[in-house]
Amino acid sequence: QVQLGQSGAEVKKPGSSMKVSCQASGGTFGDFAFSWMRQAPGQGLEWMGGIIPLFGTRTYAQKFQGRVTFTADDSTNTVYMELSRLRYEDTAVYYCARQADGGAYMDVWGKGTTVTVSS
Amino acid sequence: DIVMTQSPDSLPVSLGERATINCKSSQTVLYSSNNRNYLAWYQQKPGQVPKLLIYWASTRESGVPDRFSGSGSGTDFTLTISSLQAEDVAVYYCQQYLSIPLTFGGGTKVEIK
Repeated sequence: QVQLGQSGAEVKKPGSSMKVSCQASGGTFGDFAFSWMRQAPGQGLEWMGGIIPLFGTRTYAQKFQGRVTFTADDSTNTVYMELSRLRYEDTAVYYCARQADGGAYMDVWGKGTTVTVSS
Repeated sequence: DIVMTQSPDSLPVSLGERATINCKSSQTVLYSSNNRNYLAWYQQKPGQVPKLLIYWASTRESGVPDRFSGSGSGTDFTLTISSLQAEDVAVYYCQQYLSIPLTFGGGTKVEIK
């Protein structure tokens, strides 16, 4: 059973960048797609975009276009999400999740990475 | 973008009673070519990661208790917990996956009355 392990919590300054990793264990990327979501404190889930590592295909939510970059390292089964020009409102838990085979619903989730933007 | 609207925001239910959560999409999420509704439900317990409960609007994920059921088609969907247990206290989210961007409802908090 695939599990997704995410990198640890971070504190960042406004204007800086952050990079969160998500490593698949117990399986390979295969041709699965991976999505990134975030959840601000006390708020709901927001989809940021996704990547299909096998094909190098990336889709970004318009809200994050120009600020977010998804990459993948097949050798370590790891996907990365980099968010630049951080603002206070980027404080959130960031989740990676695997999209199921056959539909873009999320069947496996990482445990989340808490990012706090603070001066 | 397809906007997902859930109701109610908060739902107090007595143990053993039925809980019904509604989700409405601003456009149909029924794909006519395969007659499938591109709608999923997730459960997020306090301090935990979201967990997939239901996909294709009514298919239970493996291991999910059968007291959870999904129904509806087109733009109107329902998640029903037939007999609320203490461990079902959580926020429940619907999500459409018919079109990009993927979008979630605002969540419904189920609590014990």
